[in-house]
Amino acid sequence: EAGVVQSPRYKIIEKKQPVAFWCNPISGHNTLYWYLQNLGQGPELLIRYENEEAVDDSQLPKDRFSAERLKGVDSTLKIQPAELGDSAVYLCASSYRTSGGLVDTQYFGPGTRLTVL
Amino acid sequence: QKEVEQNSGPLSVPEGAIASLNCTYSDRVSQSFFWYRQYSGKSPELIMSIYSNGDKEDGRFTAQVDKSSKYISLFIRDSQPSDSATYLCAVGYGGATNKLIFGTGTLLAVQP
Repeated sequence: EAGVVQSPRYKIIEKKQPVAFWCNPISGHNTLYWYLQNLGQGPELLIRYENEEAVDDSQLPKDRFSAERLKGVDSTLKIQPAELGDSAVYLCASSYRTSGGLVDTQYFGPGTRLTVL
Repeated sequence: QKEVEQNSGPLSVPEGAIASLNCTYSDRVSQSFFWYRQYSGKSPELIMSIYSNGDKEDGRFTAQVDKSSKYISLFIRDSQPSDSATYLCAVGYGGATNKLIFGTGTLLAVQP
């Protein structure tokens, strides 16, 4: 079974430029997450989708970040304009949402390493 | 504020020894706990999940949860150089929250 797919793997841009990241979750997984990971830190949640609905975007800086998950499968995370402090690894994860009440087990993609110059 | 704390290390152990990693968390509501391994330049990879107090064993890995002291441990038996990585613990909040809070990770170095 294929894992979570992300592209691009690396991106270098000038500050104030836009950038977009793409994620394809594990087949059948209805929940998708975008995380940001800075060097020496654990992943921090930016946004969580259940199917097409963004159910937790409380940590997404909405002035410059946006995300969408059309048709409840692939997702795109966009930054416009990028700032120097946005340099980090952007991870996508997916899970299958169960009704048991426990947190889902999340599987991560390879990530996109963004460098803003 | 939900928090998960880990010692960043590095934790250095000789090959063949038992590596002991741990973290603490602050919120009593937590029901599930995870350990992820992250090699340098790679993404986190799930190695253990545990949903109750006590121990869970999987091969050379044993995860331990003590909810009364809000303490989580991971033991790696017969440590190998290939185990050298950063180990992230994560605490899960279920229900409508459905969220993982990660620690900062502990760097493990297994010396041949």
